[in-house]
Amino acid sequence: SAVISQKPSRDICQRGTSLTIQCQVDSQVTMMFWYRQQPGQSLTLIATANQGSEATYESGFVIDKFPISRPNLTFSTLTVSNMSPEDSSIYLCSVRPRGDTEAFFGQGTRLTVV
Amino acid sequence: AQSVSQHNHHVILSEAASLELGCNYSYGGTVNLFWYVQYPGQHLQLLLKYFSGDPLVKGIKGFEAEFIKSKFSFNLRKPSVQWSDTAEYFCAVNGDNYGQNFVFGPGTRLSVLP
Repeated sequence: SAVISQKPSRDICQRGTSLTIQCQVDSQVTMMFWYRQQPGQSLTLIATANQGSEATYESGFVIDKFPISRPNLTFSTLTVSNMSPEDSSIYLCSVRPRGDTEAFFGQGTRLTVV
Repeated sequence: AQSVSQHNHHVILSEAASLELGCNYSYGGTVNLFWYVQYPGQHLQLLLKYFSGDPLVKGIKGFEAEFIKSKFSFNLRKPSVQWSDTAEYFCAVNGDNYGQNFVFGPGTRLSVLP
């Protein structure tokens, strides 16, 4: 299993600014995932973050808009850059430890852009 | 592309009513199937999962789901719901071609009236 701590839990930001979301895991994991959950919608994978390599982004998401850092096996950050109201969403960090069959999720960061 | 659909956007039941939430996926290969629940203000939690073996799987809190391969379905059931079951329910798949990330359905909001 894994326990994930995600910060901040919520924030209200001005358009044009950037917000960095932190994800801390209580165990070492190879891959960490970042999802977006827009209001009333399901989870959409933004990118997969591997320690020691560039993150892999899904279609529709680019590094300039959502830069990701993965400095070690227990930590990752996602930055939402140059925000607009359309970026208002819940952003979730997730891991699936080796030997585990399920994914574990952080509590999410509720972002509102005004 | 792989996808997951859920039959209902919002289900409203009275306590003690029976529940069935539909989930269908599009993928022709071997899949792993999950139901996650998100209680108000909380993070996603695993309800149950199917990998192989008995297609009827039992999860926490009296939930069960049946995998019907011929119908590409994995419906969630509970014989008698409680007010505390009010939550958002997500069906998810993880197949060989998905790597370790998950594809989520759009979610079904369940409201149980006391």
